[in-house]
Amino acid sequence: QKEVEQDPGPLSVPEGAIVSLNCTYSNSAFQYFMWYRQYSRKGPELLMYTYSSGNKEDGRFTAQVDKSSKYISLFIRDSQPSDSATYLCAAAGGTSYGKLTFGQGTILTVHP
Amino acid sequence: NAGVMQNPRHLVRRRGQEARLRCSPMKGHSHVYWYRQLPEEGLKFMVYLQKENIIDESGMPKERFSAEFPKEGPSILRIQQVVRGDSAAYFCASSRGASGYNEQFFGPGTRLTVL
Repeated sequence: QKEVEQDPGPLSVPEGAIVSLNCTYSNSAFQYFMWYRQYSRKGPELLMYTYSSGNKEDGRFTAQVDKSSKYISLFIRDSQPSDSATYLCAAAGGTSYGKLTFGQGTILTVHP
Repeated sequence: NAGVMQNPRHLVRRRGQEARLRCSPMKGHSHVYWYRQLPEEGLKFMVYLQKENIIDESGMPKERFSAEFPKEGPSILRIQQVVRGDSAAYFCASSRGASGYNEQFFGPGTRLTVL
């Protein structure tokens, strides 16, 4: 079983839609949770990170963590074609905070 | 305010040759991480280094792979006697580091192709 599971999609939505991206994890030691965005043939770009459970909002993006169910979510409001990318969830904690464990990534396409 | 720099961006090697990938962290960052991304797979952690120290190499293959981060100069990921299965994108990230979690910022990657 992978420590972080993510539905690879692909996910296709119309412009303006609310996008919900989700991951689950199995390692109870994880305390830090991140979302990265990766455009084709580029490096991952950090979008959000949260510590433990709770919500965090930044512009059109909201990250949620529910440690009781080991569930991580990213919501994108008013999605734009420029949001089309692969979204990677990641987690860290336990004995090595330096090691990020990534999900497989979800491919998102926002069509005009 | 340069970000993480990696070179070369593309590297082609024949089986059995050596590949050297370089990473310069962001200004003010003293912690470096290497990840590998195979086709159709997510990013996999390889190694975590500070200046002159390997902190965590739990993701490094036991043979042919090594990494260093010298006192002066960039971090180097070295792959000896490359095989076709080493073809992947290799990403470097850096952070300020010290203790606990620190945000990791990624470079553009080096795409290694083994012929």
